[in-house]
Amino acid sequence: AQSVTQPDIHITVSEGASLELRCNYSYGATPYLFWYVQSPGQGLQLLLKYFSGDTLVQGIKGFEAEFKRSQSSFNLRKPSVHWSDAAEYFCAVGGTSGTYKYIFGTGTRLKVLA
Amino acid sequence: DVKVTQSSRYLVKRTGEKVFLECVQDMDHENMFWYRQDPGLGLRLIYFSYDVKMKEKGDIPEGYSVSREKKERFSLILESASTNQTSMYLCASSRTFGPYEQYFGPGTRLTVT
Repeated sequence: AQSVTQPDIHITVSEGASLELRCNYSYGATPYLFWYVQSPGQGLQLLLKYFSGDTLVQGIKGFEAEFKRSQSSFNLRKPSVHWSDAAEYFCAVGGTSGTYKYIFGTGTRLKVLA
Repeated sequence: DVKVTQSSRYLVKRTGEKVFLECVQDMDHENMFWYRQDPGLGLRLIYFSYDVKMKEKGDIPEGYSVSREKKERFSLILESASTNQTSMYLCASSRTFGPYEQYFGPGTRLTVT
């Protein structure tokens, strides 16, 4: 079955520290992969996406993610976290194999300490 | 910029009421989606539509219906609201299936008392 796992429900980092949010997926074909961010009380905003090609993709707000096929992972990274990065982050797969469906992980809530 | 708007940010309804949530997108997207978001459960797809008057059930369609009479507008209907439908509802749109991301509205937080 297709699924997306974000193993960390909550993560706390200090401002200026590096960040890595984990995402593992199970999908029959090569997936299209996405990371979204949701600030409190808001909708989801796309951070970055992977469709094909270079496995390291750059996104907005200084985020990047690396697609590792062998590990079925698409982890999100940022070298130096800012207080404004505090939010909930969602990994998603979808848009392939003739389906309209996107599958979302359960999210990781990031807290940033000043 | 793509804009997806939802008719209400906050809504309070009574059990048994019929509830309409409306979503409008301005980018001529073919696909529109309604999700429900609950803590610890992520986003769960209620319904989606890939064209005017076309719809398909998502993972949790029970208790909901949808309407898409115009390409830009997708409505979610709770025929008889119940307390277990208290949730955040998110609308999204995208171009036709393929490597296209979804664009989300700000959400409607619905409370059913």
